[in-house]
Amino acid sequence: ELKVEQNPLFLSMQEGKNYTIYCNYSTTSDRLYWYRQDPGKSLESLFVLLSNGAVKQEGRLMASLDTKARLSTLHITAAVHDLSATYFCAVDIIGSQGNLIFGKGTKLSVKP
Amino acid sequence: EPEVTQTPSHQVTQMGQEVILRCVPISNHLYFYWYRQILGQKVEFLVSFYNNEISEKSEIFDDQFSVERPDGSNFTLKIRSTKLEDSAMYFCASRATSGGEQYFGPGTRLTVT
Repeated sequence: ELKVEQNPLFLSMQEGKNYTIYCNYSTTSDRLYWYRQDPGKSLESLFVLLSNGAVKQEGRLMASLDTKARLSTLHITAAVHDLSATYFCAVDIIGSQGNLIFGKGTKLSVKP
Repeated sequence: EPEVTQTPSHQVTQMGQEVILRCVPISNHLYFYWYRQILGQKVEFLVSFYNNEISEKSEIFDDQFSVERPDGSNFTLKIRSTKLEDSAMYFCASRATSGGEQYFGPGTRLTVT
Protein backbone atom coordinates (compact mmCIF):
# COMPACT_ATOMS: atom_id res chain seq x y z
CA GLU A 1 0.00 0.00 0.00
CA LEU A 2 1.38 3.38 -0.96
CA LYS A 3 1.83 5.74 1.96
CA VAL A 4 2.62 9.41 1.67
CA GLU A 5 3.91 11.21 4.71
CA GLN A 6 4.38 14.92 5.09
CA ASN A 7 6.13 16.80 7.79
CA PRO A 8 5.63 18.97 9.54
CA LEU A 9 1.84 18.86 9.67
CA PHE A 10 1.68 22.33 11.18
CA LEU A 11 4.09 25.14 10.54
CA SER A 12 3.98 28.59 12.00
CA MET A 13 6.60 30.95 10.68
CA GLN A 14 7.34 34.62 10.54
CA GLU A 15 7.40 36.66 7.39
CA GLY A 16 10.79 36.77 5.77
CA LYS A 17 11.91 33.36 7.05
CA ASN A 18 12.77 30.27 5.04
CA TYR A 19 11.48 26.77 5.63
CA THR A 20 11.16 23.38 3.97
CA ILE A 21 8.23 20.95 3.90
CA TYR A 22 9.09 17.30 3.36
CA CYS A 23 7.12 14.62 1.56
CA ASN A 24 8.16 10.96 1.79
CA TYR A 25 6.43 8.15 -0.03
CA SER A 26 6.72 4.43 0.41
CA THR A 27 6.76 2.87 -3.02
CA THR A 28 8.14 3.50 -6.47
CA SER A 29 6.71 6.48 -8.24
CA ASP A 30 8.15 9.01 -10.60
CA ARG A 31 5.35 11.53 -10.51
CA LEU A 32 4.79 13.84 -7.63
CA TYR A 33 2.44 16.80 -7.32
CA TRP A 34 2.16 19.71 -4.93
CA TYR A 35 -1.17 21.41 -4.32
CA ARG A 36 -2.24 24.39 -2.29
CA GLN A 37 -5.61 24.56 -0.53
CA ASP A 38 -7.08 27.67 1.09
CA PRO A 39 -9.75 27.12 3.77
CA GLY A 40 -13.02 25.92 2.24
CA LYS A 41 -11.57 26.01 -1.24
CA SER A 42 -10.44 23.55 -3.86
CA LEU A 43 -6.96 22.29 -4.66
CA GLU A 44 -4.74 24.53 -6.72
CA SER A 45 -1.96 22.83 -8.63
CA LEU A 46 1.46 24.25 -7.78
CA PHE A 47 4.00 21.86 -9.24
CA VAL A 48 4.15 18.67 -11.25
CA LEU A 49 7.45 16.82 -10.85
CA LEU A 50 7.86 14.07 -13.40
CA SER A 51 11.43 12.82 -13.10
CA ASN A 52 14.26 12.24 -10.69
CA GLY A 53 16.12 15.43 -9.97
CA ALA A 54 13.29 17.64 -11.18
CA VAL A 55 13.31 21.11 -9.67
CA LYS A 56 10.66 23.72 -10.28
CA GLN A 57 10.30 27.22 -8.94
CA GLU A 58 7.41 29.64 -8.87
CA GLY A 59 7.85 32.85 -6.92
CA ARG A 60 8.86 32.07 -3.34
CA LEU A 61 8.19 28.34 -3.69
CA MET A 62 10.60 25.74 -5.03
CA ALA A 63 9.89 22.03 -5.29
CA SER A 64 12.28 19.17 -5.93
CA LEU A 65 12.03 15.42 -6.37
CA ASP A 66 14.49 12.64 -5.49
CA THR A 67 12.92 9.40 -6.67
CA LYS A 68 15.77 7.28 -5.30
CA ALA A 69 15.19 8.61 -1.80
CA ARG A 70 11.41 8.75 -2.42
CA LEU A 71 11.46 12.30 -1.16
CA SER A 72 10.15 15.61 -2.37
CA THR A 73 10.69 18.98 -0.75
CA LEU A 74 8.79 22.23 -0.97
CA HIS A 75 11.04 25.10 0.01
CA ILE A 76 9.63 28.46 1.03
CA THR A 77 11.89 31.47 0.66
CA ALA A 78 11.24 34.73 2.52
CA ALA A 79 7.70 33.78 3.47
CA VAL A 80 4.86 36.28 3.16
CA HIS A 81 1.41 36.19 4.75
CA ASP A 82 -0.24 35.34 1.41
CA LEU A 83 1.45 31.94 1.49
CA SER A 84 -0.66 30.89 4.48
CA ALA A 85 -2.58 27.80 3.35
CA THR A 86 -2.48 24.02 3.54
CA TYR A 87 0.00 22.35 1.20
CA PHE A 88 -0.49 18.80 0.03
CA CYS A 89 1.86 16.51 -1.80
CA ALA A 90 0.40 13.67 -3.84
CA VAL A 91 1.85 10.68 -5.63
CA ASP A 92 0.43 8.37 -8.22
CA ILE A 93 1.34 4.74 -8.49
CA ILE A 94 3.26 3.57 -11.53
CA GLY A 95 0.90 1.59 -13.72
CA SER A 96 -2.24 3.14 -12.30
CA GLN A 97 -4.62 5.39 -14.21
CA GLY A 98 -3.21 8.34 -12.34
CA ASN A 99 -5.26 8.30 -9.17
CA LEU A 100 -3.44 10.37 -6.59
CA ILE A 101 -2.55 9.37 -3.05
CA PHE A 102 -2.29 12.44 -0.87
CA GLY A 103 -0.30 13.23 2.22
CA LYS A 104 -2.09 14.64 5.25
CA GLY A 105 -1.12 18.17 4.34
CA THR A 106 1.00 20.84 5.99
CA LYS A 107 -0.94 23.75 7.43
CA LEU A 108 1.26 26.80 7.02
CA SER A 109 0.63 29.99 8.93
CA VAL A 110 2.82 32.97 8.14
CA LYS A 111 2.68 35.69 10.75
CA PRO A 112 3.59 39.33 10.09
CA GLU B 1 -8.94 29.26 -18.99
CA PRO B 2 -10.87 25.97 -19.01
CA GLU B 3 -11.88 24.68 -15.61
CA VAL B 4 -13.66 21.80 -13.95
CA THR B 5 -17.09 22.79 -12.63
CA GLN B 6 -19.21 21.05 -10.01
CA THR B 7 -22.81 21.37 -8.89
CA PRO B 8 -24.25 21.88 -6.39
CA SER B 9 -21.72 23.68 -4.23
CA HIS B 10 -23.50 22.48 -1.10
CA GLN B 11 -25.96 19.63 -0.67
CA VAL B 12 -27.79 18.79 2.52
CA THR B 13 -29.56 15.47 2.67
CA GLN B 14 -31.07 13.12 5.20
CA MET B 15 -29.52 9.78 6.06
CA GLY B 16 -30.71 7.07 3.71
CA GLN B 17 -31.46 9.41 0.83
CA GLU B 18 -29.82 9.20 -2.59
CA VAL B 19 -27.67 12.05 -3.83
CA ILE B 20 -26.13 12.78 -7.20
CA LEU B 21 -23.13 15.06 -7.43
CA ARG B 22 -22.40 16.53 -10.83
CA CYS B 23 -19.19 17.51 -12.53
CA VAL B 24 -18.29 18.91 -15.92
CA PRO B 25 -14.64 18.06 -16.63
CA ILE B 26 -12.44 20.08 -18.95
CA SER B 27 -13.66 19.34 -22.46
CA ASN B 28 -10.66 17.61 -24.06
CA HIS B 29 -9.73 15.60 -20.97
CA LEU B 30 -9.95 11.83 -21.01
CA TYR B 31 -9.38 10.78 -17.39
CA PHE B 32 -11.84 11.59 -14.64
CA TYR B 33 -11.69 11.17 -10.90
CA TRP B 34 -13.66 11.59 -7.72
CA TYR B 35 -12.00 12.33 -4.40
CA ARG B 36 -13.39 13.19 -1.02
CA GLN B 37 -12.07 15.17 1.92
CA ILE B 38 -13.61 14.83 5.35
CA LEU B 39 -13.36 18.14 7.18
CA GLY B 40 -9.83 18.79 8.36
CA GLN B 41 -8.45 15.60 6.90
CA LYS B 42 -6.51 14.57 3.82
CA VAL B 43 -7.90 14.13 0.35
CA GLU B 44 -8.83 10.50 -0.41
CA PHE B 45 -9.14 8.86 -3.82
CA LEU B 46 -12.52 7.29 -4.58
CA VAL B 47 -12.61 6.27 -8.22
CA SER B 48 -11.05 6.83 -11.63
CA PHE B 49 -12.88 6.64 -14.95
CA TYR B 50 -11.49 6.28 -18.44
CA ASN B 51 -12.91 5.20 -21.76
CA ASN B 52 -16.42 5.06 -20.30
CA GLU B 53 -15.63 2.64 -17.54
CA ILE B 54 -14.20 2.55 -14.04
CA SER B 55 -10.42 2.10 -14.12
CA GLU B 56 -9.75 1.84 -10.43
CA LYS B 57 -11.60 2.32 -7.19
CA SER B 58 -10.62 2.53 -3.56
CA GLU B 59 -11.96 0.61 -0.59
CA ILE B 60 -14.17 3.59 0.20
CA PHE B 61 -16.00 3.19 -3.12
CA ASP B 62 -18.35 0.41 -2.09
CA ASP B 63 -21.67 -0.73 -3.56
CA GLN B 64 -23.37 2.44 -2.35
CA PHE B 65 -21.36 4.49 -4.84
CA SER B 66 -21.61 4.61 -8.62
CA VAL B 67 -20.30 6.87 -11.36
CA GLU B 68 -21.61 7.69 -14.79
CA ARG B 69 -20.79 9.81 -17.78
CA PRO B 70 -24.27 9.97 -19.25
CA ASP B 71 -23.85 12.41 -22.10
CA GLY B 72 -20.19 12.92 -22.95
CA SER B 73 -19.83 16.06 -20.86
CA ASN B 74 -21.22 15.44 -17.38
CA PHE B 75 -19.56 13.06 -14.91
CA THR B 76 -21.69 12.11 -11.93
CA LEU B 77 -21.17 10.45 -8.58
CA LYS B 78 -24.21 8.82 -7.03
CA ILE B 79 -24.48 7.74 -3.42
CA ARG B 80 -27.46 5.42 -3.14
CA SER B 81 -28.23 5.54 0.56
CA THR B 82 -26.25 8.19 2.37
CA LYS B 83 -24.76 7.68 5.81
CA LEU B 84 -23.64 10.28 8.34
CA GLU B 85 -20.02 9.39 7.60
CA ASP B 86 -20.49 10.34 3.94
CA SER B 87 -20.46 13.98 5.01
CA ALA B 88 -17.42 15.45 3.29
CA MET B 89 -16.25 17.68 0.47
CA TYR B 90 -16.32 15.80 -2.81
CA PHE B 91 -13.93 16.88 -5.52
CA CYS B 92 -14.07 15.97 -9.17
CA ALA B 93 -10.86 16.10 -11.17
CA SER B 94 -9.80 15.55 -14.76
CA ARG B 95 -6.64 15.30 -16.76
CA ALA B 96 -5.80 15.12 -20.44
CA THR B 97 -3.26 12.29 -20.20
CA SER B 98 -2.53 9.71 -17.53
CA GLY B 99 0.71 11.39 -16.48
CA GLY B 100 -0.34 14.98 -16.80
CA GLU B 101 -1.53 17.60 -14.42
CA GLN B 102 -4.78 16.85 -12.65
CA TYR B 103 -7.24 19.74 -12.38
CA PHE B 104 -9.69 19.84 -9.51
CA GLY B 105 -13.17 21.30 -9.43
CA PRO B 106 -14.35 23.62 -6.64
CA GLY B 107 -15.98 20.75 -4.75
CA THR B 108 -19.42 19.89 -3.44
CA ARG B 109 -19.89 19.99 0.30
CA LEU B 110 -22.21 17.13 1.25
CA THR B 111 -23.86 17.26 4.65
CA VAL B 112 -25.80 14.20 5.76
CA THR B 113 -28.11 14.76 8.72
